[in-house]
Amino acid sequence: EIQLQESGPGLVKPSQSLSLTCSVTGYTITSGYDWSWIRKFPGNKMEWMGYISYSGSTNYNPSLKSRISITRDTSKNQFFLQLNSVTTEDTATYYCATDTYYFDYWGQGVMVTVSS
Amino acid sequence: DVVMTQTPPSLSVAIGQSVSISCKSSQSLVYSDGKTYLHWLLQSSGRSPKRLIYQVSNLDSGVPDRFSGTGSQKDFTLKISRVEAKDLGVYYCAQTTHFPLTFGSGTKLEIK
Repeated sequence: EIQLQESGPGLVKPSQSLSLTCSVTGYTITSGYDWSWIRKFPGNKMEWMGYISYSGSTNYNPSLKSRISITRDTSKNQFFLQLNSVTTEDTATYYCATDTYYFDYWGQGVMVTVSS
Repeated sequence: DVVMTQTPPSLSVAIGQSVSISCKSSQSLVYSDGKTYLHWLLQSSGRSPKRLIYQVSNLDSGVPDRFSGTGSQKDFTLKISRVEAKDLGVYYCAQTTHFPLTFGSGTKLEIK
C-alpha cells in the first residue's frame, strides 16, 4: 500500500522559505501518478497547491505560482515543497497526497506556523 | 477557478437520523472523457482526510452503504443515513476535473 509521510520544520519566520519533504513508501514515484501538496488553513479551508508528475513535470496553483516550487529526489523516492516569502497567511497543516485526480492516499500532515 | 459552494457549514444531528450535504460548483464537472470528478472526503479529528466517495457516487472500500452520493453537472449531494457517532468530523467535496483543483468549504458534523 502507498504510504506518504511529511516532514519539515514546524515554525518558519515571515519572509523566509518553507521547505517540506514527502517520503513515499509502497510505490515508486516515477512509476505513475501525480504527487500533490495540499494545505488546510485554520478553520476548514483546503487549498491544492500543486503537483509533480511521475515524469517530473509540475503544475501549480496560479495563486501561488510565483512562490512555489515542487521538486523530487527519485533516488530517495521523495518529493519536496518549497514556498518562498511566507507570511502568517501561510500558517496551515500541509499534506502530501496522491493520486492527484482521486485523492486516494494522504500523509498524516505537518503543521507549519509562520511567526517571528 | 471553480468555486465549490458547500452547505450547510455545520450540522448537529442525533444518532440514527439522516443528513444531507450539498455541493454546487460554478462550472460543470464533467470532463472531456465523460466522467465527473467530484469526490467526497471526511476528515475526522486529528486525522488526515480520507476519501469516502469518488466520481459522484462510487463508495470506497470499507465505507458503509449508509453513505451515498448523487448529482450531476454542477449539483451534488452527500447523504448519510442512520448517522453513527463515528461519522463525526468535517466533510468536504472536492473537484479534480479542472485545474486548479478546488474544495468545498467543509461541513462539520456534530452529534447531539
